Amino acid sequence: EAGVTQSPTHLIKPSGQQATLRCSPISGHTSVYWYQQALGLGLQFLLWYDEGEERNRGNFPPRFSGRQFPNYSSELNVNALELEDSALYLCANPRQGSLTGELFFGEGSRLTVL
Amino acid sequence: RKEVEQDPGPFNVPEGATVAFNCTYSNSASQSFFWYRQDCRKEPKLLMSVYSSGNEDGRFTAQLNRASQYISLLIRDSKLSDSATYLCVVKGGGNKLTFGTGTQLKVEL
Repeated sequence: EAGVTQSPTHLIKPSGQQATLRCSPISGHTSVYWYQQALGLGLQFLLWYDEGEERNRGNFPPRFSGRQFPNYSSELNVNALELEDSALYLCANPRQGSLTGELFFGEGSRLTVL
Repeated sequence: RKEVEQDPGPFNVPEGATVAFNCTYSNSASQSFFWYRQDCRKEPKLLMSVYSSGNEDGRFTAQLNRASQYISLLIRDSKLSDSATYLCVVKGGGNKLTFGTGTQLKVEL
């Protein structure tokens, strides 16, 4: 069974433009988390989607947005890119049927803003 | 104060050594605690949950001290393959997981 898959693997964008990152969850998983991992800052919680709805949002400006599609895949959009948006963006599914803290992460999309 | 704080390291230890990492958290209402492992340029993966009574998984022992708001991870008989970054993770309300910045471990011959 395929795990969480993310695309693109790498993305280079000039500042001011928009970046779109995509995530396909494990089959049957309805919940998707997005995290940003910038150098020296650790993983920062961005967004949580479940059943197509945004359930929780981290402390990021509105230019970070996303959505979840009917097939539970998800998209993260970053508008008006800034240099400090350069980071690894990770998508994750929580383990099904439990309230534990296990997340299955994709390999991430590395965004570089020039 | 950060919600979850860890010493970034790196901890450089010889093979066979015992090494311990600590992590402190600021929210006393935090519900669950975990250690994740992240290899270089890879995604994080769950290493182990941390239970109130402490728990062990092979060479790894995790402990929780709610009164002092810290958790620890002890690795015995370190292997070269243990070299990685260890992330402390705290679960609070709203199903939100907060990650520490990680502690880097380098096990050397």
